[in-house]
Amino acid sequence: DVKVTQSSRYLVKRTGEKVFLECVQDMDHENMFWYRQDPGLGLRLIYFSYDVKMKEKGDIPEGYSVSREKKERFSLILESASTNQTSMYLCASTPAAGGYTFGSGTRLTVV
Amino acid sequence: AQSVTQLDSHVSVSEGTPVLLRCNYSSSYSPSLFWYVQHPNKGLQLLLKYTSAATLVKGINGFEAEFKKSETSFHLTKPSAHMSDAAEYFCVVSDWRSGGSNYKLTFGKGTLLTVNP
Repeated sequence: DVKVTQSSRYLVKRTGEKVFLECVQDMDHENMFWYRQDPGLGLRLIYFSYDVKMKEKGDIPEGYSVSREKKERFSLILESASTNQTSMYLCASTPAAGGYTFGSGTRLTVV
Repeated sequence: AQSVTQLDSHVSVSEGTPVLLRCNYSSSYSPSLFWYVQHPNKGLQLLLKYTSAATLVKGINGFEAEFKKSETSFHLTKPSAHMSDAAEYFCVVSDWRSGGSNYKLTFGKGTLLTVNP
């Protein structure tokens, strides 16, 4: 089975901190995605990447950046965390032929 | 641009009665459509997907959905609800990005299904 692993299940950070959320997939997938999930809003796409060092903005990229230096790893960066970035963050990957696999999520609280 | 509208934020049914979760979509291309389920404190699980083959799609746990292009709908149904079906359900649309072999998913806002004994 494909595995998408998010490094932390729960994270608490202070306002203004730089935060790194890490995601690793083990199946050589080309495409990787970061979503945030908020009650009543569903999942919203923050950024995605279709190749190493390639990235594209999703629907809500403000306040976030990403890094993909290796094919298996896709990092989400909060340059200066704010309380409105408290959320559940979900990483996903898919090969070119399609078929999403989601990680189990990181619940981030910014205090 | 693609979008998804889940017409009900909350649906409540009795155990053993039919389930209907409604979804309408908008897409510039020939869409792929999905239903995902998320149980409390669990990850997202794919229930079923439509990718331009048969319009009636059967998924796991007795769920099915029918793609109706004329109505731009992809409603999820189950003949008889079980207590274990209580969860949040997301309708999702994707279309292939022009010029590329990658695609992104657009999620609806979710429908919370409650099953009463």
